Amino acid sequence: GAGVSQTPSNKVTEKGKYVELRCDPISGHTALYWYRQSLGQGPEFLIYFQGTGAADDSGLPNDRFFAVRPEGSVSTLKIQRTERGDSAVYLCASSLFGGNLETQYFGPGTRLLVL
Amino acid sequence: KQEVTQIPAALSVPEGENLVLNCSFTDSAIYNLQWFRQDPGKGLTSLLLIQSSQREQTSGRLNASLDKSSGRSTLYIAASQPGDSATYLCAAQGGSEKLVFGKGTKLTVNP
Repeated sequence: GAGVSQTPSNKVTEKGKYVELRCDPISGHTALYWYRQSLGQGPEFLIYFQGTGAADDSGLPNDRFFAVRPEGSVSTLKIQRTERGDSAVYLCASSLFGGNLETQYFGPGTRLLVL
Repeated sequence: KQEVTQIPAALSVPEGENLVLNCSFTDSAIYNLQWFRQDPGKGLTSLLLIQSSQREQTSGRLNASLDKSSGRSTLYIAASQPGDSATYLCAAQGGSEKLVFGKGTKLTVNP
């Protein structure tokens, strides 16, 4: 079956612009996660959704970052007033129910470059 | 705050060699430890998940062990192949849903 998909695969923007990154989880997966991976680093947690609600947003770095999942499937990560330091690969993952016994399945990521 | 460290940062071996990748974590109160593989420009592929009550998991040529008390996990790869070349990441999951990752070990298997 289809895995987690993310669009766009690459995004180049200018400092100060607004960007939206999209994640399509595996069909039927209720848990969805966003991570950010900077060059040479491991992924860092941003936010976790269970269904439509953000159950844990403790990893969002500041209020320029916001994410939604209005129908409990597709999620959009939104970044306002982008800064050069936001440049990274943004990874999305999903799992069937969440919890600590399940594998998280990752998408290919969106590579964001802020000029 | 959980911190995960992976040693070495990079490893180059000849084809056919058995090898061990190391992962250490500071907070032993974990629910599971996962190993992932990441190919250049790609997302993460899950390799093995070890629950806190388990000591090891095996999949094909891969074997992962977990010692919670010492805060360590190892990934053993038998009879390495050039196709095993990738970055290997370990991640610890504690009481929350988030995974805490190490920086990874970049493995190169030379033919």
